[in-house]
Amino acid sequence: QLQLQESGPGLVKPSETLYLTCTVSGGSISDNTYYWGWIRQPPGTGPEWIGSIYYSAGAFFNPTLSSRATMSVDTAKNQFSLRLSSVTATDTAVYHCARHYSGRSNWFDPWGQGTLVTVSS
Amino acid sequence: QSVLTQPPSESAAPGQKVTISCSGGSSNIENNFVSWYQQLPGAAPKLLIYENDERPSGVPARFSGSKSGTSATLAITGLQTGDEADYYCGTWDDSLNAYVFGTGTMVTVL
Repeated sequence: QLQLQESGPGLVKPSETLYLTCTVSGGSISDNTYYWGWIRQPPGTGPEWIGSIYYSAGAFFNPTLSSRATMSVDTAKNQFSLRLSSVTATDTAVYHCARHYSGRSNWFDPWGQGTLVTVSS
Repeated sequence: QSVLTQPPSESAAPGQKVTISCSGGSSNIENNFVSWYQQLPGAAPKLLIYENDERPSGVPARFSGSKSGTSATLAITGLQTGDEADYYCGTWDDSLNAYVFGTGTMVTVL
């Protein structure tokens, strides 16, 4: 079955850029039915959608993060990535990647287990 | 703070029913489909309900969703200890132009 796995540094310094990669297995990132998304969850709070990307098109983002976030897809490696610039302590969170259905409705399934990113000097 | 409001907690005895509300507005719940997610302790969220009342393959029929106007509801019948988790609603918000999640509800089995 489809599985997603996040990878990247667990510690990022303030003002630097966070970079995470999601590896998709058990399915193709080029599946034309789905987008691929990033969602974060600060400690003790609910999820926050960051943005989503289609394998052959651009990405769309939560307006609250769009000025700092970029996403890319590597179809050869079946991976997609997130860059979040100028991070601060408020960007500390567990970051999940997920498959995103965005058609007549929106939902995320499945999710990766998540990776904790701490922003600290 | 989220535009989707849920009660912080709900509880019931094993075998009983618990309902979780998700209150929004015309820019989100009223005009868009609602999803529900279950987050067991230490785990990633899992899709429980999509398009208001549809269950993905493998989700027990004990879980059901409904929507009316600007509110949605998740019902869990035959409550089990393994249902202790945080539950989140989610939907697209046309004004924010973003997918939004609810504030979350912790379910406790007494």
